[in-house]
Amino acid sequence: NAGVMQNPRHLVRRRGQEARLRCSPMKGHSHVYWYRQLPEEGLKFMVYLQKENIIDESGMPKERFSAEFPKEGPSILRIQQVVRGDSAAYFCASSRGRGATNEKLFFGSGTQLSVL
Amino acid sequence: DQQVKQNSPSLSVQEGRISILNCDYTNSMFDYFLWYKKYPAEGPTFLISISSIKDKNEDGRFTVFLNKSAKHLSLHIVPSQPGDSAVYFCAANAGNMLTFGGGTRLMVKP
Repeated sequence: NAGVMQNPRHLVRRRGQEARLRCSPMKGHSHVYWYRQLPEEGLKFMVYLQKENIIDESGMPKERFSAEFPKEGPSILRIQQVVRGDSAAYFCASSRGRGATNEKLFFGSGTQLSVL
Repeated sequence: DQQVKQNSPSLSVQEGRISILNCDYTNSMFDYFLWYKKYPAEGPTFLISISSIKDKNEDGRFTVFLNKSAKHLSLHIVPSQPGDSAVYFCAANAGNMLTFGGGTRLMVKP
């Protein structure tokens, strides 16, 4: 009974490269959320997706960041032309239903992105 | 603009005593509050929640109190155990997203 799977666990990129972070939700979950945790800070909401749809991307930086959750396969968070300030832990969470009020989010172990 | 604040970055408690973790919020639109626990190199795991229409919810050793007039919630752990040592995040829900506080690192000493 696998939980939320994120890979890679650690990702090292040089400035200007692209980072692709993957998230497979729990079985039966069709709602995916991405959060970012900067050092010594709490988790900040980035984007909420349902299969093939972006529901809420109000927390996503306007440039260089994009997310998708295709009909088949994992959700992908893509960061183009990474900068040092993108270094953070990126967490994915999934839920069976919409929103977090009645459904508890289940988090993956995160991807630690380090930009050199 | 931090809508959810945990003003104590760390807390140290003796095993068997009560741990009280505090959280303040500013947005009166929040309708649901949750506490998550996080160990190093792992994702947060859900601990306990409370709806804004209640003032208390209890689950075993964990109790969450909500004071809406003060926009304050707290998590009580009693008795505290060494395995409770972790970072605790409070989170508040409005719409599609959870807004997290900065976390409090709890250390329970044997």
